[in-house]
Amino acid sequence: DAKTTQPTSMDCAEGRAANLPCNHSTISGNEYVYWYRQIHSQGPQYIIHGLKNNETNEMASLIITEDRKSSTLILPHATLRDTAVYYCITYFGNEKLTFGTGTRLTIIP
Amino acid sequence: EPEVTQTPSHQVTQMGQEVILRCVPISNHLYFYWYRQILGQKVEFLVSFYNNEISEKSEIFDDQFSVERPDGSNFTLKIRSTKLEDSAMYFCASMGVVISYEQYFGPGTRLTVT
Repeated sequence: DAKTTQPTSMDCAEGRAANLPCNHSTISGNEYVYWYRQIHSQGPQYIIHGLKNNETNEMASLIITEDRKSSTLILPHATLRDTAVYYCITYFGNEKLTFGTGTRLTIIP
Repeated sequence: EPEVTQTPSHQVTQMGQEVILRCVPISNHLYFYWYRQILGQKVEFLVSFYNNEISEKSEIFDDQFSVERPDGSNFTLKIRSTKLEDSAMYFCASMGVVISYEQYFGPGTRLTVT
């Protein structure tokens, strides 16, 4: 079973920041927080990951709380193409990915 | 930008037939995976492969399934005798080991068993 909990669905207006929360209260010390997304039925796409520091790349920002029990993925200026299911997954190294149901994010024009 | 490719994009087969799904991982990657997603359900892990052997497999990956890396580029999933319940999207993924451990997924093969 997935070790994270996420809201089932969220809406965000186009051009606004989308903030997707994730709880991972049982995360172990060596596990990273990874975010992937799946657009329609395409293959999951890696977005960003972090251990304990906040991270930013060209796609998104990741904010991890100091106790590492939760995180937030931020898409700073959401577009219609960001409509997808977003998965928060904690793992270490070459482990298999255990997908939950994720958050279905809908960007509204 | 390097990407994982999969062929065919869609495979229709009759129950009891053998199918081979093909994947070309990213060239310098070392870890390879197969996942599947039945329509409307979660993405499920099937098997991981490293150093020419299976490193982990799920309960789904029974004797009807096998994987192979026949040459330096291809990674295949074989289903010996397909069942109706094998109908799903099958995703291949690969991972390099440099600094981080993100997996890169292919576009998937839609397998339809009739």
